[in-house]
Amino acid sequence: GDSVTQMEGPVTLSEEAFLTINCTYTATGYPSLFWYVQYPGEGLQLLLKATKADDKGSNKGFEATYRKETTSFHLEKGSVQVSDSAVYFCALSDRNSGNTPLVFGKGTRLSVIA
Amino acid sequence: DAGVIQSPRHEVTEMGQEVTLRCKPISGHDYLFWYRQTMMRGLELLIYFNNNVPIDDSGMPEDRFSAKMPNASFSTLKIQPSEPRDSAVYFCASSLTGLNGYTFGSGTRLTVV
Repeated sequence: GDSVTQMEGPVTLSEEAFLTINCTYTATGYPSLFWYVQYPGEGLQLLLKATKADDKGSNKGFEATYRKETTSFHLEKGSVQVSDSAVYFCALSDRNSGNTPLVFGKGTRLSVIA
Repeated sequence: DAGVIQSPRHEVTEMGQEVTLRCKPISGHDYLFWYRQTMMRGLELLIYFNNNVPIDDSGMPEDRFSAKMPNASFSTLKIQPSEPRDSAVYFCASSLTGLNGYTFGSGTRLTVV
């Protein structure tokens, strides 16, 4: 079945450091890919998405490119801030499976220190 | 739009008591999902509805858990009787279609003592 694998956390970075959170997926069809962010005490929020190969999703300085050849959707940010401290979830929706629920990764906790 | 609204935000109850969690999805969204989040197991899908009809409840852990969606604007998740291992944050999410991602509520933090 479909699955998403994220790098294990926690990730601790200094402010202004470069961020990469790896995400790879397995899907039988042609999935849409998502990154969600969960700030402390809150629900998950959609951060960005990409619906086809080579698409780049971007929001709030974060970017991720849909790489079909490597089945990856790594999240990057050039300069992190303390306010980016949160848990990040990679997810996919497989269009070939119809409107079945999103498949989420286990989440990666990011802590940014000043 | 006010987003997905969940109530209560926090619930503390004694073991054996009935607990009811509530969710109001975004108007016009056809899909509603109930998730449970714990440190040990992460984010787990419990059940989801399409047009108020339960589609898949295979994630519901036991018969003690039940969910209903009597109309397009309201859903409940009930635990009866509650147990300490049910302590978790329960999220409701809604979606127009799964391809566009979900909107999550702020969650209900349940503590069973």
